[in-house]
Amino acid sequence: QLQLQESGPGLVKPSKTLSLTCVVSGGSISDSNYYWDWIRQPPGKGLEWIASIYYSGHTYYNPSLKSRVTISVDTSTNQFSLKLTSVTAADTAIHYCARRSSGHYEAYDYWGPGTLVTVSS
Amino acid sequence: DIQMTQSPSSLSASVGDRVTITCRASQSVSTYLNWYQLKPGKAPKLLIYAASSLPSGVPSRFSGSGSGTDFTLTISSLQPEDFASYFCQQSYSTPYSFGQGTKLEIK
Repeated sequence: QLQLQESGPGLVKPSKTLSLTCVVSGGSISDSNYYWDWIRQPPGKGLEWIASIYYSGHTYYNPSLKSRVTISVDTSTNQFSLKLTSVTAADTAIHYCARRSSGHYEAYDYWGPGTLVTVSS
Repeated sequence: DIQMTQSPSSLSASVGDRVTITCRASQSVSTYLNWYQLKPGKAPKLLIYAASSLPSGVPSRFSGSGSGTDFTLTISSLQPEDFASYFCQQSYSTPYSFGQGTKLEIK
């Protein structure tokens, strides 16, 4: 059974960089049938797609965040990561990592449980 | 960008009720529409993909319909474990976008 688990600091100071890692177990991040994504949910709000990466390193970013976001993948350790720079309180959110199928109909079929990142001094 | 609008934003219902949640896209997304269930502290769960397809393991009381801009998620007979939040998501074009969610509460 595939499992994803997010990890990283729960508290980040304003203007600093948010860094998260998602460890994938029970399956290979190098599977060519999938993309690996980050999605967030601010408190009381909806979900927002942040970024995607393919095992080859090809990346896709939400234009609204693109200038501040970097997604990367490490196939040797079966994990992928997110960096978000210059954070503000508006970046406080539950951050999820998820697997997205790359077939004709794409969907997020596996998710991590999410990790809350609070931006506060 | 494609905007997704869900209604209602919250809903109170009883075990055994039939409930319907709607999702509207700001432009046609064909049938590139997915539904997810979210519970606090748990990994979100894919309920419906391609507007009406059920992934393996999802109970048959869940169903989806629609195409173009208007979609519905129906739970035919609510079970206690169904009280959660539900989100629609379009996979027609990037940036992938989600509805604002529907919180289903026990009446």
